[in-house]
Amino acid sequence: DTAVSQTPKYLVTQMGNDKSIKCEQNLGHDTMYWYKQDSKKFLKIMFSYNNKELIINETVPNRFSPKSPDKAHLNLHINSLELGDSAVYFCASSQDSGRGQPQHFGDGTRLSIL
Amino acid sequence: GNSVTQMEGPVTLSEEAFLTINCTYTATGYPSLFWYVQYPGEGLQLLLKATKADDKGSNKGFEATYRKETTSFHLEKGSVQVSDSAVYFCALQGAQKLVFGQGTRLTINP
Repeated sequence: DTAVSQTPKYLVTQMGNDKSIKCEQNLGHDTMYWYKQDSKKFLKIMFSYNNKELIINETVPNRFSPKSPDKAHLNLHINSLELGDSAVYFCASSQDSGRGQPQHFGDGTRLSIL
Repeated sequence: GNSVTQMEGPVTLSEEAFLTINCTYTATGYPSLFWYVQYPGEGLQLLLKATKADDKGSNKGFEATYRKETTSFHLEKGSVQVSDSAVYFCALQGAQKLVFGQGTRLTINP
């Protein structure tokens, strides 16, 4: 009974391609997030949605486009992949966007650009 | 803006040793503070949290106290086990965003 599940777990692709990562949560949470973790383990938020509405959009290139078809799903589409996009991408969810709400993370998608 | 600074790793200890991982923060207002743990190949898991000054979060033998006067939230455990080997992240949450420290890799040797 995985709470936050991401697919695929691994993604290896060529520079210039377009790819998507899917995320689903079965916790009934209102808020979902995408994070990027670089090779030094540094974690940075990219986007956050609350009930399908975008509430956080960090300085991320326009090539990254999140989509939330419903509050249980938050997908990430990446156009024209570049070498610097290689990282582990984590999806997370929380009950709501209020202060003090812990976030539940998926196991990550390791994206490798050749 | 808000920021979190953790002690540099990696940290290597023997089993049953005492653990401290330092964490200090800079924030406006009254943030909530968290420790997350990441085991190899997995996502982050909440270890403990504190939402106001002088609160102590605790879980699995780990503790951290929210110290507003020193803007710190140091993680401690009295006797570590090999299974505690992981990367530990201190984080703060202001209005909406969770901001992480750089992570501290902990290795416990038997």
